[in-house]
Amino acid sequence: EAGVTQFPSHSVIEKGQTVTLRCDPISGHDNLYWYRRVMGKEIKFLLHFVKESKQDESGMPNNRFLAERTGGTYSTLKVQPAELEDSGVYFCASSQLLAGGEQFFGPGTRLTVL
Amino acid sequence: SQQGEEDPQALSIQEGENATMNCSYKTSINNLQWYRQNSGRGLVHLILIRSNEREKHSGRLRVTLDTSKKSSSLLITASRAADTASYFCATYGNNRLAFGKGNQVVVIP
Repeated sequence: EAGVTQFPSHSVIEKGQTVTLRCDPISGHDNLYWYRRVMGKEIKFLLHFVKESKQDESGMPNNRFLAERTGGTYSTLKVQPAELEDSGVYFCASSQLLAGGEQFFGPGTRLTVL
Repeated sequence: SQQGEEDPQALSIQEGENATMNCSYKTSINNLQWYRQNSGRGLVHLILIRSNEREKHSGRLRVTLDTSKKSSSLLITASRAADTASYFCATYGNNRLAFGKGNQVVVIP
């Protein structure tokens, strides 16, 4: 069974540009999460989808971040326009609806904003 | 917010020795989980302990939970070089995980 995949693995962009990160969860997993780790800080929750619906986006830092999960399959996270403080590693995770908390993580996308 | 805080931050041990990491959190939880991250890889779930459990074992891993002290410990016995990684505790509640900063464990062959 394929795990959670993320694309790209690395992205280097300039301040003001737009970047879109993609996450493909494990097939059949209704829950999809985005987390972020900024350098030197802990991994922080960004948002949670159940199928195509946003259940909780309280962790999104500001309105420059937009997440979608059309059709309840893969998800995208767009940052527009990117700022220097957006640099970090963005993780996606998925879980079954009644998994009780265990989440399966992708390898992450390392975003560098110059 | 629920946040795990691991202690110590960095640990270097010889292969075959045991490694112990501690984690504390601030609020009530549904469960507490430990994850491992090898360099350049994603987080791998290691073990989950529910709030009504006190100890759990999985292979060479032993995790304890003390809800009265809001703390947990992860013990890796008979460490191997492949155990070199960052280890994170995370509390689960409100359908999300809240992570600590992580412990870097280096196992010297």
